Amino acid sequence: EAGVAQSPRYKIIEKRQSVAFWCNPISGHATLYWYQQILGQGPKLLIQFQNNGVVDDSQLPKDRFSAERLKGVDSTLKIQPAKLEDSAVYLCASSLDPYTQYFGPGTRLTVL
Amino acid sequence: QKEVEQDPGPLSVPEGAIVSLNCTYSNSAFQYFMWYRQYSRKGPELLMYTYSSGNKEDGRFTAQVDKSSKYISLFIRDSQPSDSATYLCAMVGNQGGKLIFGQGTELSVKP
Repeated sequence: EAGVAQSPRYKIIEKRQSVAFWCNPISGHATLYWYQQILGQGPKLLIQFQNNGVVDDSQLPKDRFSAERLKGVDSTLKIQPAKLEDSAVYLCASSLDPYTQYFGPGTRLTVL
Repeated sequence: QKEVEQDPGPLSVPEGAIVSLNCTYSNSAFQYFMWYRQYSRKGPELLMYTYSSGNKEDGRFTAQVDKSSKYISLFIRDSQPSDSATYLCAMVGNQGGKLIFGQGTELSVKP
């Protein structure tokens, strides 16, 4: 069974630029999550999708972050404009239930 | 106060040692408790999860939950260099909701 795929793996941008990340979850997993992991911290949930719908986006900075899930499968997370404090690893996870989430390798974002 | 507290380490032990990793939490609504392992530049990988209080064993790994003390532990027996990673505890309530992670403990097992 293929795992969660993410791209790109690394991205370096200047502040105020925009960036997008892509995630392909495990086939059949209805729930998809985006997390932000700042160096030395645990992952923090940004947004949770159940199929096409948003379940929780309470910690998503909506003035600059947006996310969508296309046809209940792939998802993109966008940051526009990026700030220095957005430097982090962005993790995508998918699951059949809340207790067994499978994570992708992450996208490491550096904002200069 | 953070909902989940975890000593970030780093923790360095010799090969073969018993390792004890711990987390404390403040939210009594948490019912499911997970341990994830994260190798450098990789995503977290679920090791095991337990429901409510009690112990769960899987090979060299044992998870313990003491809800009365709001304290969870992960023990690793006969530790190996391949166990060197960051270990994250995580927890969630009965109704699902957000998975809340600890800060992670960096473990190094020396040959």
